[in-house]
Amino acid sequence: AQSVTQPDIHITVSEGASLELRCNYSYGATPYLFWYVQSPGQGLQLLLKYFSGDTLVQGIKGFEAEFKRSQSSFNLRKPSVHWSDAAEYFCAVGGFRDDKIIFGKGTRLHILP
Amino acid sequence: GAGVSQSPRYKVAKRGQDVALRCDPISGHVSLFWYQQALGQGPEFLTYFQNEAQLDKSGLPSDRFFAERPEGSVSTLKIQRTQQEDSAVYLCASSFPLLQGDEKLFFGSGTQLSVL
Repeated sequence: AQSVTQPDIHITVSEGASLELRCNYSYGATPYLFWYVQSPGQGLQLLLKYFSGDTLVQGIKGFEAEFKRSQSSFNLRKPSVHWSDAAEYFCAVGGFRDDKIIFGKGTRLHILP
Repeated sequence: GAGVSQSPRYKVAKRGQDVALRCDPISGHVSLFWYQQALGQGPEFLTYFQNEAQLDKSGLPSDRFFAERPEGSVSTLKIQRTQQEDSAVYLCASSFPLLQGDEKLFFGSGTQLSVL
């Protein structure tokens, strides 16, 4: 069965610092991988997705993620965070065999001024 | 419409009451998903439709939960005899089939259900 693990429940970084949010997945075939962001009281917004091809994926708001098949990981990165990046971040996996998308439990990002 | 629409936005139910939550997907979207998001948690998959066919209902927590999409567009999630543990935000999402490679899931704003 497919699953997603986000090992960090909370992450705190200073504004302007770099960020990496971890995501590990389990899926029996080639996965589709996603990162979503959810601000308080807001809906889920897609940051980026990996379907195939280049394993380094660029997304919106300056985010990128790298698919590493050997590590079953899809970590999200940003070189310099802004206060507006404070939110909940969800990694998700789906696949070619079915369209069901499974989400991780999320990482809450806090930004220090 | 321009996006996925869910109604009502908020629902307060007394324990034991039946509720019905509605989802209007983006016009033309074939796939429709329901998720349950408890406070402080990630969205948990409930069920998935492709057109009117319910292809996966493995996430429905009990037989009190029932979903339908009779004409392949609007979907209704029904919860019978609500319990306090049903309190959560229920999210609906739609997309073209992901098999086509480049589509993404569009989420509605959710229905926040509070069972007293």
